[in-house]
Amino acid sequence: GAGVSQSPRYKVAKRGQDVALRCDPISGHVSLFWYQQALGQGPEFLTYFQNEAQLDKSGLPSDRFFAERPEGSVSTLKIQRTQQEDSAVYLCASSLGGPGETEQFFGPGTRLTVL
Amino acid sequence: QQQVKQSPQSLIVQKGGISIINCAYENTAFDYFPWYQQFPGKGPALLIAIRPDVSEKKEGRFTISFNKSAKQFSLHIMDSQPGDSATYFCAANDGAYKYIFGTGTRLKVLA
Repeated sequence: GAGVSQSPRYKVAKRGQDVALRCDPISGHVSLFWYQQALGQGPEFLTYFQNEAQLDKSGLPSDRFFAERPEGSVSTLKIQRTQQEDSAVYLCASSLGGPGETEQFFGPGTRLTVL
Repeated sequence: QQQVKQSPQSLIVQKGGISIINCAYENTAFDYFPWYQQFPGKGPALLIAIRPDVSEKKEGRFTISFNKSAKQFSLHIMDSQPGDSATYFCAANDGAYKYIFGTGTRLKVLA
């Protein structure tokens, strides 16, 4: 594909359910980022992968959040035992190179609503 | 120190007018300042970016002005068009991988 894709685009979960959000980055992009965007706010960093290595997970809000990128391409963000405060848009971004100011390309996001 | 403060929260401009959005930062390690444009239901897209060794960068109708001593930078949209109506985010990066985003400005350009 030409850009970053994410699925599902919308997810409604009952409180306590587990969810898995998928990100397909641009082919060949080394770096992959997950962000959380609350309503009316800017994206907030969650975690960063360089290839398959998760180099920074400092932004993950709690140990209920887990991300992986086992083969250095597709990534999954998993949220266990969802809570209402997890409701947000989850954005994935990829960039061609490693650390630095290389442009990040964002996907359309997954809007998660926890009831 | 890691914050990027953005204002105004919302902005309404007449077609053909100039839209101005401001951002301020504290961390002097930041050395790359992009602006992103986000339409409803879409992810942010890079619009224009600047490094602190220049005071201004222009691309078409979009200009970034940068004041290193004041630790402020702004986005100017000249001849604003209804198609520019979107949410704009400033961001800052310290040369590593982490971007700090502002809280966003919702711009509406009236036809």
